[in-house]
Amino acid sequence: AQKITQTQPGMFVQEKEAVTLDCTYDTSDPSYGLFWYKQPSSGEMIFLIYQGSYDQQNATEGRYSLNFQKARKSANLVISASQLGDSAMYFCAMREPGKRSGGSNYKLTFGKGTLLTVNP
Amino acid sequence: DGGITQSPKYLFRKEGQNVTLSCEQNLNHDAMYWYRQDPGQGLRLIYYSQIVNDFQKGDIAEGYSVSREKKESFPLTVTSAQKNPTAFYLCASSMGQGFTDTQYFGPGTRLTVL
Repeated sequence: AQKITQTQPGMFVQEKEAVTLDCTYDTSDPSYGLFWYKQPSSGEMIFLIYQGSYDQQNATEGRYSLNFQKARKSANLVISASQLGDSAMYFCAMREPGKRSGGSNYKLTFGKGTLLTVNP
Repeated sequence: DGGITQSPKYLFRKEGQNVTLSCEQNLNHDAMYWYRQDPGQGLRLIYYSQIVNDFQKGDIAEGYSVSREKKESFPLTVTSAQKNPTAFYLCASSMGQGFTDTQYFGPGTRLTVL
């Protein structure tokens, strides 16, 4: 079973409008972290925003915010005032606690991504 | 400027050859990672290293090998045992401390087997 599900293979948005990219996750552990990355056509993965499972408030970072609904196990990324440069693949990822003794798990599990296209 | 560099950007390999992908970071990060990305897919972890002279297998380590002799460097060798090596390879690093530890990525190497 997939641990991270991004149900939107592609999304379109008009410049200056807001857009929400969906991400649902599956874990039985109460401690976990959720990350969003942006991948432009150049290929580099750019970190956008982080949300911890115990964080009381939704994370925000400039035009990016995370709509975290713990009971629904969703962590949707909201991009406000879209710009042409926002056109890219967007990946949701999760970190769960490690199984190795003495250390945290460094593994990130990624979804398959959503291709966002911003139209002028 | 601090960052992660990967070389080469594009790499072509003949079947049966081993090739080594370079990854260097000057962020003073303890942990480093190698991921593989196939078209239309997310990233999958190949190997990771938390400290010098130590590394662990990820989900898809078969056919790959790594070394971590210096903190700054984490080269990945794609061996002839890797059945389908054509992919985009991304290296990442992080402080390696705490649950909020964020991984930062290099620009990637695109490997094509001829």
